Amino acid sequence: DAKTTQPPSMDCAEGRAANLPCNHSTISGNEYVYWYRQIHSQGPQYIIHGLKNNETNEMASLIITEDRKSSTLILPHATLRDTAVYYCIVRSYGQNFVFGPGTRLSVLP
Amino acid sequence: GAVVSQHPSWVICKSGTSVKIECRSLDFQATTMFWYRQFPKQSLMLMATSNEGSKATYEQGVEKDKFLINHASLTLSTLTVTSAHPEDSSFYICSADRSNSPLHFGNGTRLTVT
Repeated sequence: DAKTTQPPSMDCAEGRAANLPCNHSTISGNEYVYWYRQIHSQGPQYIIHGLKNNETNEMASLIITEDRKSSTLILPHATLRDTAVYYCIVRSYGQNFVFGPGTRLSVLP
Repeated sequence: GAVVSQHPSWVICKSGTSVKIECRSLDFQATTMFWYRQFPKQSLMLMATSNEGSKATYEQGVEKDKFLINHASLTLSTLTVTSAHPEDSSFYICSADRSNSPLHFGNGTRLTVT
């Protein structure tokens, strides 16, 4: 079973920030938080990951709470091409990636 | 960056035939590759873990004699669906594990069994 809980769907207006929450209350000390997204009929695409510090790259920002029990993926300026299913996964090195149902983000024009 | 190539991207076969799907890591060596299956409107489900030079580890409920996995080199793993039936129609996705790097996924193979 997935160790994360995400809302099943969210809408976001084009050009606005999309904030996708994820709960991982049972995360252990050596587990990272990973975010992937899957656009229809494609393989999952890596977005970002982190252990305890906030992270930012060219695609998104990852905010992890101090107790590490939850995190938020931020897409700063959502575009129509960001419409996808977003998966939050916790995993330590060498473990399998277990996918939950994810959040279906719809970016609206 | 790291790239995982999966071939073919789609295949249609007749019931009872076998289909082979290839997964290649293009610019790195992967001692471990994973095979997933995804039915419509569902999430990815892990089928098996493929380790180079050894037998694959299958998840509960996945028939190892039906889904043959071979990981003969550090850059290639293959999944063969033997005696395919319509219920095997699905989206098959591989991924390759690279040390100190996020897991990279192929673009998937859509199998349709008629």
